[in-house]
Parts: sequence; C-alpha cells; structure tokens
Amino acid sequence: KQEVTQIPAALSVPEGENLVLNCSFTDSAIYNLQWFRQDPGKGLTSLLLIQSSQREQTSGRLNASLDKSSGRSTLYIAASQPGDSATYLCAGKSNSGYALNFGKGTSLLVTP
Amino acid sequence: GAGVSQSPRYKVAKRGQDVALRCDPISGHVSLFWYQQALGQGPEFLTYFQNEAQLDKSGLPSDRFFAERPEGSVSTLKIQRTQQEDSAVYLCASALSWTQYFGPGTRLLVL
Repeated sequence: KQEVTQIPAALSVPEGENLVLNCSFTDSAIYNLQWFRQDPGKGLTSLLLIQSSQREQTSGRLNASLDKSSGRSTLYIAASQPGDSATYLCAGKSNSGYALNFGKGTSLLVTP
Repeated sequence: GAGVSQSPRYKVAKRGQDVALRCDPISGHVSLFWYQQALGQGPEFLTYFQNEAQLDKSGLPSDRFFAERPEGSVSTLKIQRTQQEDSAVYLCASALSWTQYFGPGTRLLVL
C-alpha cells in the first residue's frame, strides 16, 4: 500500500507570503498524484493532478511538482490569500489497484 | 452542472442499527469510489465500482459493510449493526478519467 506523509501538519502565514507544502510517498511505482483542498465540513476539491510521466502542473497561483525518484511532491502557493485557508491533502495512486492513498493533510491558515 | 451529491448529510444511529448512505455521482461518470474519513485523518479507501461492477472492495473494514451500484449510477453504502468505531464522514467520489470529484460526505455518528 502506498504510504503518504504530509509535512507540516499545520502552517500559519501572513497574507501575501509564498509557501510550500510537502508530501512524500513510499511506493515509487506511482501512477499519479493528486492535490486536494478540503474546507471544514465540506468534501474535497481537486486542485491539480500530476501523471507519473509529468514533472509539474500549474493552475493559477498553484504549482505542484512530482519527483518519483525521491518519492516527493510539493505544492507551491504564490501570494497567499485568506481565502486559501483550508486543509490541503495529497493522494497517490499506485500502478496497481484503484485506490487513492491520502496523507493526513496540512492545515493552512492565512492571516490578513 | 450538478456535482456529486450524498444523502443524508448527517445521520445519528444507535449502536446496532443498520444504516444506508446514498451517493449520486456526476452523470456519465463510470468510476465511483467510497472513502471513510475519521476526524483529523485523510480519507481511507473503502471500495471502487466501474459501472455496476465492484472491482475492488479491499478497503471495507468488515463484512458489516456492503456497497452496491446496481444500475451503474447511484450507489448505496450499507453498514449493518453499526458500532461506535463506524463514526466518521463517508465520502463518495466519481470520475470519468483520473481526476476524482468528491461529494460533501455523510457524517455518521453512532451512539
């Protein structure tokens, strides 16, 4: 089973800062990796999906990278805003099976 | 367009009761997943359907958990003889390709 770890567990930054969230996974036979956002009491919203053949994906102020050899992915958020406050989850899908294996998430607070 | 919907949003059950949780996926999505999310944890995979076929049920924690998708659209997750450790948020997701779209979840509390 793909084990996924996210660091830090919580992060508080002032508005306007650039920040990086980290995700590591144990199985290098990863098929794709997905970053999600979860707001309190809500479901998950997909932010970015990186296939194993890709190195990074970008959407607006978000950039996600994937390094299979080191078993790491990062989510970069530029010019953070209070509306970015949420829990960010990364999830990996291995080459075998159908499941997404999630980390515990990073709880982000962006203060005005 | 409509997203994934789940009902009920909240369910309180007495220990030993049976519950049924419903998921309406996005129309046309072939894949449907169920996850269980405990407080402060990431979602844990329960089961996967491709149309009406249940291709993976390796994450179901016990034989008290049963899922079905008889016509390849709506899915129901049934938990028999609920126990306190079943208290969690149950998330449903559907997909056409690899990106999974999640519903708001059903929060189950077993007393």
